[in-house]
Amino acid sequence: NAGVTQTPKFRVLKTGQSMTLLCAQDMNHEYMYWYRQDPGMGLRLIHYSVGEGTTAKGEVPDGYNVSRLKKQNFLLGLESAAPSQTSVYFCASSRDGQETQYFGPGTRLLVL
Amino acid sequence: DQQVKQNSPSLSVQEGRISILNCDYTNSMFDYFLWYKKYPAEGPTFLISISSIKDKNEDGRFTVFLNKSAKHLSLHIVPSQPGDSAVYFCAASLQTGANNLFFGTGTRLTVIP
Repeated sequence: NAGVTQTPKFRVLKTGQSMTLLCAQDMNHEYMYWYRQDPGMGLRLIHYSVGEGTTAKGEVPDGYNVSRLKKQNFLLGLESAAPSQTSVYFCASSRDGQETQYFGPGTRLLVL
Repeated sequence: DQQVKQNSPSLSVQEGRISILNCDYTNSMFDYFLWYKKYPAEGPTFLISISSIKDKNEDGRFTVFLNKSAKHLSLHIVPSQPGDSAVYFCAASLQTGANNLFFGTGTRLTVIP
């Protein structure tokens, strides 16, 4: 039982490049979330999903897109990376809206 | 606008003593509060939570207190152990929605052996 896993662990991008971050969970959770963490700030919600095929915007959605084609996977896309998107990205999942969120180990992204 | 605030970036405590971490929030609609613990290069892990209908919740060495009128919660760790050294995040949510969490900025706890 791996819980929540994230791929890749670390990535360097040039401004304007695109990439996709993958989050996978094996707990059969309905809800999944993407957060970013920046120095001196708490984790902030980017997008979330309350079930397969659904997505919704969080607190800081601009510059990101997401997809939830399979229940166990939640993808975060950057179409045209900017230095302001340099951050650590965390994925989380929960059984439903009332339950504790479980976090992945994070993806460190550096945009030059 | 930060709805959940942790005003102490760091705290050092001697092993065996009590650690008290504080958290304030501004949104009176929050009805569920959590503490997460984070080690370097790992994701946050759930520690303890409290519903707004309670004022205290205890789990072993960890106790969370909620003061709704003051919009304040605190985490007490007794006795503190060196393995407790980590960054602690306070979070709040509206359980009627998608359970989106609003996080504080974190407090780095160092327990000195």
